[in-house]
Amino acid sequence: DGGITQSPKYLFRKEGQNVTLSCEQNLNHDAMYWYRQDPGQGLRLIYYSQIVNDFQKGDIAEGYSVSREKKESFPLTVTSAQKNPTAFYLCASTPGQGVTGANVLTFGAGSRLTVL
Amino acid sequence: AQSVAQPEDQVNVAEGNPLTVKCTYSVSGNPYLFWYVQYPNRGLQFLLKYITGDNLVKGSYGFEAEFNKSQTSFHLKKPSALVSDSALYFCAVLVRGGKSTFGDGTTLTVKP
Repeated sequence: DGGITQSPKYLFRKEGQNVTLSCEQNLNHDAMYWYRQDPGQGLRLIYYSQIVNDFQKGDIAEGYSVSREKKESFPLTVTSAQKNPTAFYLCASTPGQGVTGANVLTFGAGSRLTVL
Repeated sequence: AQSVAQPEDQVNVAEGNPLTVKCTYSVSGNPYLFWYVQYPNRGLQFLLKYITGDNLVKGSYGFEAEFNKSQTSFHLKKPSALVSDSALYFCAVLVRGGKSTFGDGTTLTVKP
């Protein structure tokens, strides 16, 4: 079945360490996104990529980095510069930007990061 | 800038009663509007969307939503709630070619 796989599901990190969250999709979607979810704050966009080898900052990109070397993969690195990284991270994809009716987001199951 | 408001953090209904989860939006131009549902420790799942046309949109699991341009609202409704409908619901708006903006979410609890 097609979908988005995020790993790991749970991750614990010590302060000062970088961690990388994996996101892989087999939907052949062009666009991929990373969102952060905190209780009572909805979803906030960290980074997004509309095409391979290109990505843009979202609303809360500070302390995060991404790469898009392959269409199916969009890993997120949470760096030590992110002051409050404990959160639930969601990866999503769409077939493409600006395509009428094709903007439904498909989400992965999420990765929960806890900083100790 | 586009924005979405979900004025209720929590909605409680009895099983079998109708439910409404409210959403209002603010955008320049014609909006694309979406509802998603999230179960605990899971990603969001798409319920329904409004792009254009009929103001009453029908979606998954018996849910529907009514687009009201004059009131800039897109309330989610269901005629008869189920306990299994209990979840976190998000309204989102997308401007053509742009990014999705989400509301803060509404927790729906359906009691037997």
